[in-house]
Amino acid sequence: QVQLQESGPGLVKPSQTLSLTCTVSGGSIRSSAYYWSWIRQHPGEGLEWIGYIYYTGSTYYNPSLKSRVTISVDTSKNQFSLKLSSVTAADTAVYYCARIYDSSGCFDYWGQGTRVTVSS
Amino acid sequence: QSALTQPPSASGSPGQSVTISCTGTSSDVGDYNYVSWYQQHPDKAPKLMIYEVSKRPSGVPDRFSGSKSGNTASLTVSGLQAEDEADYYCSSYAGSNNYVFGTGTKVTVL
Repeated sequence: QVQLQESGPGLVKPSQTLSLTCTVSGGSIRSSAYYWSWIRQHPGEGLEWIGYIYYTGSTYYNPSLKSRVTISVDTSKNQFSLKLSSVTAADTAVYYCARIYDSSGCFDYWGQGTRVTVSS
Repeated sequence: QSALTQPPSASGSPGQSVTISCTGTSSDVGDYNYVSWYQQHPDKAPKLMIYEVSKRPSGVPDRFSGSKSGNTASLTVSGLQAEDEADYYCSSYAGSNNYVFGTGTKVTVL
């Protein structure tokens, strides 16, 4: 059974860069069948897709966040990461990593989520 | 891209059925059969309930079913149970390597 676990600081100062890592266990991040994504949820609101990456390093970002987002992958550690630059209070959210099953276009496994607050 | 439109709330008594709509455009829901539905209980991660419009992952009760007509997808929960009370989100592939989520629907079991 695949498991995903987010990690990273829970508090980030405005204008700084938010950095999170997702560790995948129970399966290889190198599988050709999957992409690896980040999704966030603002307090009391819905889900927002941030972007995703293939194990080869190909990336795809939400156009609304593209200028500030970088997703990378470390296949040796079975991890992928999110960097969001120039954060403001509007980036305060629960951040989830999830696996995309490519042939079905669905997010089939999710991490538990990590809460990130942007505040000085 | 804009979020898919869902009703903010829906409700039903135990044993009844509730149907949630998810309205997109001809560029997302209407153009692809990559519509999925997620259940989210408070302070928990979303859980995949339906994928490819109407398919159920292993372990999801057959009380959950999905369909699509034109630009609108629907999730029906039959035989409502107390544990079905949760937020539900739809998602669709939107072309050009983009995905979009719905606005979310809170289902209340009366």
